Amino acid sequence: NAGVTQTPKFQVLKTGQSMTLQCAQDMNHNSMYWYRQDPGMGLRLIYYSASEGTTDKGEVPNGYNVSRLNKREFSLRLESAAPSQTSVYFCASSPTSGTGTNPPPQHFGDGTRLSIL
Amino acid sequence: GEDVEQSLFLSVREGDSSVINCTYTDSSSTYLYWYKQEPGAGLQLLTYIFSNMDMKQDQRLTVLLNKKDKHLSLRIADTQTGDSAIYFCAESFPWGGYNKLIFGAGTRLAVHP
Repeated sequence: NAGVTQTPKFQVLKTGQSMTLQCAQDMNHNSMYWYRQDPGMGLRLIYYSASEGTTDKGEVPNGYNVSRLNKREFSLRLESAAPSQTSVYFCASSPTSGTGTNPPPQHFGDGTRLSIL
Repeated sequence: GEDVEQSLFLSVREGDSSVINCTYTDSSSTYLYWYKQEPGAGLQLLTYIFSNMDMKQDQRLTVLLNKKDKHLSLRIADTQTGDSAIYFCAESFPWGGYNKLIFGAGTRLAVHP
């Protein structure tokens, strides 16, 4: 009954270091998403993957890359971390990308708390 | 552009009803959602309402939608200490190849004895 699993839960990086955040879901969902959550703001979409083999930019993609490794896994990479990327990162999944009249809800992981010094 | 606004804090007494309000700007929204976030956890979907509905009730939760005023509310009856959390309102609408979610900043609900 795991749902969406994110690793690591916490990480501290120095400016300029690189890091990959991992996400896996066991619900056989087609679509996966990466968000960041900053104090006093709602979640903002970084990248999404409507289905295996596709990825697209969200609202705030600069400084990030993603890989949809297979149907279960969707990773987020910071190539050269900056203090402005200090945030809580959430991965989510949904059965489909939900275009049309019956959009499915998204299921979220517990987040990765990332601090960049 | 799209925007979702919520009040930041709400404090209620245990056993009272809580009403969390949300306003949104995009009239093309298809669904509106309420998510709950407990400390150190991800967002948990509580309920959602289709944009052509006025009300949805699910046990202690009642969602009211005023589409004309673009106003959404979540009422929690008989609020308990376990309801203390941050509540996020979100609107969804088709955008490119997927269903885009726009979140509010969240309302922190504190329940006191």
